[in-house]
Amino acid sequence: AQRVTQPEKLLSVFKGAPVELKCNYSYSGSPELFWYVQYSRQRLQLLLRHISRESIKGFTADLNKGETSFHLKKPFAQEEDSAMYYCALKRIQGAQKLVFGQGTRLTINP
Amino acid sequence: SAVISQKPSRDICQRGTSLTIQCQVDSQVTMMFWYRQQPGQSLTLIATANQGSEATYESGFVIDKFPISRPNLTFSTLTVSNMSPEDSSIYLCSVQEPLNTEAFFGQGTRLTVV
Repeated sequence: AQRVTQPEKLLSVFKGAPVELKCNYSYSGSPELFWYVQYSRQRLQLLLRHISRESIKGFTADLNKGETSFHLKKPFAQEEDSAMYYCALKRIQGAQKLVFGQGTRLTINP
Repeated sequence: SAVISQKPSRDICQRGTSLTIQCQVDSQVTMMFWYRQQPGQSLTLIATANQGSEATYESGFVIDKFPISRPNLTFSTLTVSNMSPEDSSIYLCSVQEPLNTEAFFGQGTRLTVV
């Protein structure tokens, strides 16, 4: 069975400080990993996916298959980064459903 | 990208009644999903809405409680039947295309059962 764990429900950092939101997963096959974000009063939207290997809004995430992790990082937090972040997993082949972690509420303090 | 409209955005319902939530997409999509987000919890998939056939339900969810319709490739409904306070949640519609791994979400329906 697929499982995604985000150990921190709440994370608070100061503006300009580095940010790391942790995500660990369990899945025996080849997964596809995502970070979704929900800003205040907005709908859930894709932030980035591991296959793209891109940086979005300064965020990056590297899939570490050895540690089964997909941590989200940003070197310098900005106030507009305050949001709810969800790590999600999908099987590369077969069912296209997403399995979500519990979410981390990130607050950037001025 | 797909634009999804979900109705209603919120509702307060009496226990024992049913509520039907609508999901309209601005383009034809292959896959539509219904998720539930209980207070303080993550998103949990209820079912995959299949066009022209019965929905595929996840473990713990049954058709009698959450009947789903998908008459075409742009529209689906989820009914929450015989509601109890435990059904108070946000219900989300999501769509996805097989070749595009990005999922798009509706704004959600916040349901409160009293």
